[in-house]
Amino acid sequence: NAGVTQTPKFRILKIGQSMTLQCTQDMNHNYMYWYRQDPGMGLKLIYYSVGAGITDKGEVPNGYNVSRSTTEDFPLRLELAAPSQTSVYFCASRGPNRDTGELFFGEGSRLTVL
Amino acid sequence: AQTVTQSQPEMSVQEAETVTLSCTYDTSENNYYLFWYKQPPSRQMILVIRQEAYKQQNATENRFSVNFQKAAKSFSLKISDSQLGDTAMYFCAFLTGANSKLTFGKGITLSVRP
Repeated sequence: NAGVTQTPKFRILKIGQSMTLQCTQDMNHNYMYWYRQDPGMGLKLIYYSVGAGITDKGEVPNGYNVSRSTTEDFPLRLELAAPSQTSVYFCASRGPNRDTGELFFGEGSRLTVL
Repeated sequence: AQTVTQSQPEMSVQEAETVTLSCTYDTSENNYYLFWYKQPPSRQMILVIRQEAYKQQNATENRFSVNFQKAAKSFSLKISDSQLGDTAMYFCAFLTGANSKLTFGKGITLSVRP
């Protein structure tokens, strides 16, 4: 299995540009998440989804949008890129069994806004 | 809201020795799950160990064990026989039964010296 796949791995944007980070998982997981990690810091939750058609805000949702039209895909949209959005973005998914709780992470996408 | 605190930003340990990484959390929930994740320089997020709050017995995984003190809301990770490959950033994380969000601490950078 591929697990969680994120694209692109690296991207440089100019201020005001828009882009979409793609995330796909092939484990039929209900829960999907987008986190950002700033240098030397922990992961902060941007948005999450508990299933197709259902999304909710995390700690730092401003400047981002998401959609969940299918179980597999959870894209993250940046509408007007700002330097404060320079970060590494991680997509993750989790199965319905809360007893394990393990999140499966993608490899991350490094975004630089200049 | 749940919070996870890792107060030590960095630690260093000699190869083959034992090191303990600290984590405290705050919650009003009774059912929850705690995790330690490892992030090596490759940036990949790897689950090290998990603990269910309803279990009194501390979790162990080979050289990794936890000291879970529910009343004190403390969840420390002990790494025995440290190896060079243990050099990484370590994150404590918390998942409640009430919602689906995994909250991370800021992380601690562990260096294993040869």
